[in-house]
Amino acid sequence: QQQVKQSPQSLIVQKGGISIINCAYENTAFDYFPWYQQFPGKGPALLIAIRPDVSEKKEGRFTISFNKSAKQFSLHIMDSQPGDSATYFCAASRPDNTDKLIFGTGTRLQVFP
Amino acid sequence: DSGVTQTPKHLITATGQRVTLRCSPRSGDLSVYWYQQSLDQGLQFLIQYYNGEERAKGNILERFSAQQFPDLHSELNLSSLELGDSALYFCASSASGGAAGELFFGEGSRLTVL
Repeated sequence: QQQVKQSPQSLIVQKGGISIINCAYENTAFDYFPWYQQFPGKGPALLIAIRPDVSEKKEGRFTISFNKSAKQFSLHIMDSQPGDSATYFCAASRPDNTDKLIFGTGTRLQVFP
Repeated sequence: DSGVTQTPKHLITATGQRVTLRCSPRSGDLSVYWYQQSLDQGLQFLIQYYNGEERAKGNILERFSAQQFPDLHSELNLSSLELGDSALYFCASSASGGAAGELFFGEGSRLTVL
C-alpha cells in the first residue's frame, strides 16, 4: 500500500515530441503528488506537484494529469528538449505527522536532437 | 545549489567496516531525511528527523543508525557493511515536519563497498 509504481523505466523521445511518464498508487490516504527531476551527479529537485483536489496542473511545458478514481497520475513534457534529458521520479506522501515522500522507481528520459 | 551539504561525496571501503555520512540541511530547515538510491530500487526512504527527534522510519536496516544534532546537522552511520550496501545516499531537508512540502536534496554520498 505504500508503493508508487512508475513506468516506463526508460524513454527515448525526439526533440519537439511529447514525453509521458505514468505513475500509479494504492494508498488512498496519499494527498500530495510531486515530480522530481534528477540530472547525473545531482540530487533530485522538485519539478512540479499536485494535490488531488485538481485534475491537472501546468507549469510551462510540464503538466501533471491526475485521475483520483483510477489512482493514477502522469507527467507530460511538451516540446521535449535535449536539456530535459534526466531521470524523473514521481512521489506521494500522506497527511500525517511527517512529510516523507514515497518515490517511484524513476524513468530515464533521453531527448535526441 | 539546494543549500544541503553532504560529505563525503565518495567513499570506498571494505565489507565489515563502518562509515559515517554527514548532512548539513538548508539554513532554517528543521527536518532531515535520508534516502538510499540504488539502480534497481530507486529512492528508498530510510529515516526522518525533525528538530532532533526521530519522526519516521522507513526501510532502514538495523545495521544503520542516524541522529540529528542540536545544530540540526545529521549523521547516518552504516556498520558491518555488505556489498549490497553500495549505493548513493541522499540527505534532504525541508522547513516543515508535518505538512507536505518541497524536499531539498543534497548531491549525495556515493558509497562503494568492496
